Order: sequence, then structure tokens, then C-alpha cells
Amino acid sequence: KAGVTQTPRYLIKTRGQQVTLSCSPISGHRSVSWYQQTPGQGLQFLFEYFSETQRNKGNFPGRFSGRQFSNSRSEMNVSTLELGDSALYLCASRGGTSGYEQYFGPGTRLTVT
Amino acid sequence: EDQVTQSPEALRLQEGESSSLNCSYTVSGLRGLFWYRQDPGKGPEFLFTLYSAGEEKEKERLKATLTKKESFLHITAPKPEDSATYLCAVRWRDDKIIFGKGTRLHILP
Repeated sequence: KAGVTQTPRYLIKTRGQQVTLSCSPISGHRSVSWYQQTPGQGLQFLFEYFSETQRNKGNFPGRFSGRQFSNSRSEMNVSTLELGDSALYLCASRGGTSGYEQYFGPGTRLTVT
Repeated sequence: EDQVTQSPEALRLQEGESSSLNCSYTVSGLRGLFWYRQDPGKGPEFLFTLYSAGEEKEKERLKATLTKKESFLHITAPKPEDSATYLCAVRWRDDKIIFGKGTRLHILP
């Protein structure tokens, strides 16, 4: 089975711009979660989608949003980028509400200048 | 405050020198404790899930154990290829998930 894929792998944006990141889960997985990873804060949960519905949300401002499509692919959007948004953004998929193991993609490295 | 704390932050071992990494948590209503391995520039790789106190899981040189307030990842006779950051995560009530900040493990040949 193919793993979780994320595009793009690297991105450089300017403060104030917006960005959209994409994630394709493992085939058959219906849950997709997004995380932000920084050296200082570690891995922090952004949100989780299951069957196109947001099931959970972390403590991030409203500039961070996401959505999931009927084929389980997910996108994450960050508007009005700030320097502090520079991070590795990771997507993870899992099989269902009772399958708690998550499988991560390689991440998108976002640099905001 | 609900927390997941990993210790030590970093650990250097000689090849073959066994040790343990710790993950302590203060959340209530545990739904699962997870261990991941992360190599530089890559996403975390799933290792183990533990659900209840007393449970143990093993994979090659790694063994994970769980008590009511902490988990240990035991590494037996490690090799240089075991060098990585090991992350612990806890899923609890309302399906929230918290990750620890990880332990950077370096195995010297």
C-alpha cells in the first residue's frame, strides 16, 4: 500500500500571504489529522477530519483551517502568514474511529520570510 | 494541566548499551499511548500502541511497557541505526491527542 503523501514538500512564502497544503491518506483510511512541528513546541495537533467532517481541533488561531474531500484527501490552509508559522506540517491518516494508530506523511517544510 | 513529558531530552549510548526512555502523562481517561520513531527530515514512524496498565509490546530491540502514569521504551543492545528521536503520544477523552517533545537518541558505534 502506498503511504501518506504530502505536497508540496517545501514551500517559501512571504509574511501576509496565504498557503494551501495537500495530503493524500493511505488508501482506505478515512481519518486525516494535521500537526505543526517546531523545534521549540514539538508536535502540536491542529485538527482531525473524518468523512469530510472536522472531529477535533487543537488550540490554533482561526487563520489555520482545513477541509476533507469525499475521496479522503485533505487540504490545510493558513491565511495571513506570520514568521512564527514557519514549521514542518505533518499529515497523518488512520483507518477509522476505532483504529488509533496514525501513519504520517513526510511533511511539508514551510518557511515564512 | 494535561501533559505528556518525556525524559531524558537527549541520550547518548555506546552500541550495545541498553537503556530506557520515559514518557509520563497526567491526562485522565487514557484511550491509548503511542510510541513513534522520527528520523531527521521525515515524518514519525509508528512503533507501538499500549492501551492498559501492564501491557507490553516488543519489536526487535524495542520493548514498550505501560503503567497507570507512565510508559517506558526499553532499548536492548542498541545499534547505530537505532539513532533517532523517539516520540510518545497520548490519546485521551474527547479523542484529543498530545505529543511529548521527544527523546533524541544517539548510539555511538
